[in-house]
Amino acid sequence: AQSVSQHNHHVILSEAASLELGCNYSYGGTVNLFWYVQYPGQHLQLLLKYFSGDPLVKGIKGFEAEFIKSKFSFNLRKPSVQWSDTAEYFCAVRGLSQKVTFGTGTKLQVIP
Amino acid sequence: NAGVMQNPRHLVRRRGQEARLRCSPMKGHSHVYWYRQLPEEGLKFMVYLQKENIIDESGMPKERFSAEFPKEGPSILRIQQVVRGDSAAYFCASSEPNRERTGELFFGEGSRLTVL
Repeated sequence: AQSVSQHNHHVILSEAASLELGCNYSYGGTVNLFWYVQYPGQHLQLLLKYFSGDPLVKGIKGFEAEFIKSKFSFNLRKPSVQWSDTAEYFCAVRGLSQKVTFGTGTKLQVIP
Repeated sequence: NAGVMQNPRHLVRRRGQEARLRCSPMKGHSHVYWYRQLPEEGLKFMVYLQKENIIDESGMPKERFSAEFPKEGPSILRIQQVVRGDSAAYFCASSEPNRERTGELFFGEGSRLTVL
């Protein structure tokens, strides 16, 4: 069975601080990995994805994530956060069955 | 991606009643996922459907819950004899049939069920 663990439930940062949100997955085969974001009052939307190739993936709004196969990890990073990054972030994994499993989410609050 | 339409946005039911949640996927999408979101629990997978087929329902409770995605019309998540514990936000997502893009989900705005 596939599963996703997000280690941080709540993160509070000041503007311009660097961000790293942890994500580990459990699945024995080839995976596709995703980060989704839910801004306050909005629906979830895709932030970035990894299907194959370069394990360092760049997404929208300056976010990036690195797939480390040996660690079963796909951590999300941003060098300098902004107040507008306040949102909930979800890591997700898709296996061969095409079922997409989400982590429990990390709420990020950026203080101006 | 406001193309995934869910209705109703808010639904209030008394214990024992039935709840029906509808999801119209984006145009051209033939894969539909249903998730339940509870506070502090993230998105829990419920069911994955393609047109007229249930592909994976491993996250669906065995009783009272059912889902369908008919050839014509929206996908429907049906909850019979609702209980207070069913109160949650239910999200629908759709994706393209192209395998390279399946998994990239487009979400609706959710249906919030409150059971009194």
